[in-house]
Amino acid sequence: EIVLTQSPGALSVSPGNRATLSCRASHNITDNFLAWYQQKPGQAPRLLIYEASNGATGIPDRFSGSGSGTDFTLTISRLEPEDFAVYYCQQYGRSPRTFGQGTKVEIK
Amino acid sequence: QVQLGQSGAEVKKPGASVKVSCKASGYTFSAYGISWVRQAPGQGLEWMGWISAHNGKTEYAEKFQDRVTLTTDTATTTAYMELRSLTIDDTAVYFCARAFPGGEHELKYWGQGTLVTVAS
Repeated sequence: EIVLTQSPGALSVSPGNRATLSCRASHNITDNFLAWYQQKPGQAPRLLIYEASNGATGIPDRFSGSGSGTDFTLTISRLEPEDFAVYYCQQYGRSPRTFGQGTKVEIK
Repeated sequence: QVQLGQSGAEVKKPGASVKVSCKASGYTFSAYGISWVRQAPGQGLEWMGWISAHNGKTEYAEKFQDRVTLTTDTATTTAYMELRSLTIDDTAVYFCARAFPGGEHELKYWGQGTLVTVAS
């Protein structure tokens, strides 16, 4: 099983600033099959990024993903009020298709 | 438009079973698999398994291998997740989800979630 470790656990950022979230895998992720999701309280997750760096349909371009192998990053370039949420990475290159434990982005 | 509509909240006693449904609409049901993800109160997302609606092939997380069964009914375009031998730790919101067009496990479309509460 591939274990995903997200850091930090929580991040305080002022609106308009940049947020950088990390996801580290215990083993190489096949074909960079790594996705990022945003989740707000009481809602289902929302797909932001797939294959490590491809933006899902309808996702603002302030969200970007990078990385390969075992180290991946989600960057939110200019935080908007609606971006304060919990973010999860998920690897789907190998079963079981595991999630990281999440990073909470809070308003500073 | 693609929609996944889940069954309503359930309250179960320890040791019981629960079966959650996920009614799909707006697309060719057999063309995509359905994934199941759960979230305990205040906790993160946990992948449970996946089923192909085309041929019934399944994948399960080892943690649930002995207790969960995923099925689909192509006639009613509905997917099901049955979890047996429930414990208090199974209290969670259970989500079904589907990939985007051309994908398989990139979860673009989600059901609204079904709260399963296990309590004596």
